Amino acid sequence: AQSVTQLGSHVSVSEGALVLLRCNYSSSVPPYLFWYVQYPNQGLQLLLKYTTGATLVKGINGFEAEFKKSETSFHLTKPSAHMSDAAEYFCAVTRMDSSYKLIFGSGTRLLVRP
Amino acid sequence: ETGVTQSPTHLIKTRGQQVTLRCSSQSGHNTVSWYQQALGQGPQFIFQYYREEENGRGNFPPRFSGLQFPNYSSELNVNALELDDSALYLCASSLEGQGMNTEAFFGQGTRLTVV
Repeated sequence: AQSVTQLGSHVSVSEGALVLLRCNYSSSVPPYLFWYVQYPNQGLQLLLKYTTGATLVKGINGFEAEFKKSETSFHLTKPSAHMSDAAEYFCAVTRMDSSYKLIFGSGTRLLVRP
Repeated sequence: ETGVTQSPTHLIKTRGQQVTLRCSSQSGHNTVSWYQQALGQGPQFIFQYYREEENGRGNFPPRFSGLQFPNYSSELNVNALELDDSALYLCASSLEGQGMNTEAFFGQGTRLTVV
């Protein structure tokens, strides 16, 4: 079975500070890993994904994430937070041999202070 | 190319009623997945349709059912609505096939309120 744990339901940072959102996964088979962002009253937008190959993945809006198999982690980072980054972020996993039946974490709300 | 569109955007139903939610997949996509997102939680996988056949189901009772049409659009039907069915329902489409799986693109969702 697969699962995702996002540590911290809320993360607050100052504008310009480093953003770090944590995600740990459990999977008995090689996973595909994703980060999605959700703005209020909207659907989900893909930030980045890891399937195979390079473990450091760059996404949109300056975000990146590193797949660490030994730590079963896929943490999301951004060097400098912007006010527009305030949103809900979801980490998700699916099986490499499966179609996109995503298992989501419970989400982390990012607050950006001026 | 057009994105994933869902209708209606908001809906209020009474407990015990039935509801149908609709999703038009992105052009060229053959797979539709439905998710339920309760307030303050992550989306939960309901089921997926691939080329008009159900292709996997999450932990949802049979009163949640679906259809996919030849043009790959889809419906989610929920019978005997319960208060706990109140949620944002998200549809995602993707192109899947042997050795070629694209990412899933999500619609804006339908906010269902059961009173």
